[in-house]
Amino acid sequence: GNSVTQMEGPVTLSEEAFLTINCTYTATGYPSLFWYVQYPGEGLQLLLKATKADDKGSNKGFEATYRKETTSFHLEKGSVQVSDSAVYFCALRRLQGAQKLVFGQGTRLTINP
Amino acid sequence: NAGVTQTPKFRILKIGQSMTLQCTQDMNHNYMYWYRQDPGMGLKLIYYSVGAGITDKGEVPNGYNVSRSTTEDFPLRLELAAPSQTSVYFCASSYHTEAGDTQYFGPGTRLTVL
Repeated sequence: GNSVTQMEGPVTLSEEAFLTINCTYTATGYPSLFWYVQYPGEGLQLLLKATKADDKGSNKGFEATYRKETTSFHLEKGSVQVSDSAVYFCALRRLQGAQKLVFGQGTRLTINP
Repeated sequence: NAGVTQTPKFRILKIGQSMTLQCTQDMNHNYMYWYRQDPGMGLKLIYYSVGAGITDKGEVPNGYNVSRSTTEDFPLRLELAAPSQTSVYFCASSYHTEAGDTQYFGPGTRLTVL
């Protein structure tokens, strides 16, 4: 079946540190891959996405590259800010059927000043 | 443009009570979804709808019912609340095309069953 595994949290970093949150997936076929972000007290927002192998999604300084050979979609940012503190979810979606999303368990990120 | 709105924001129920969580979107999206988010976990799909009058089960449908009489509204019904249904519930919508879509989420309803 389809599944997504994210690195265990919580993750705590200092401002301006480099961020990596690992995400690997298992899927049949060629899914689309997503990173969603959930700020405290809010719903999920799409952060970035990639729809085919070797695509790079980017937004707000965050990047992730769709690696088919390693079935990974790791999230990176070169210099984090306190405002990046949130929970980050990796997700996949198969292109067949009703476009259902399968989420990882989420990684809580805290950035200290 | 309000996007996806959910009511109520918070609710406490007693075991065996029933309630309806409301979800409305004003983006003319054809697809709508209900998820639940348990502490420390990702979201699990409860039910989804591909258009007015059409609904289908997701991963965890037991204990819930839905209806989709209009494009805009997708209410979720809990008939006999149980402590296992304590969770945060998110509604989402998307405009489905062959090229794919992006799901937009509401702010969530935090439900506690005691």
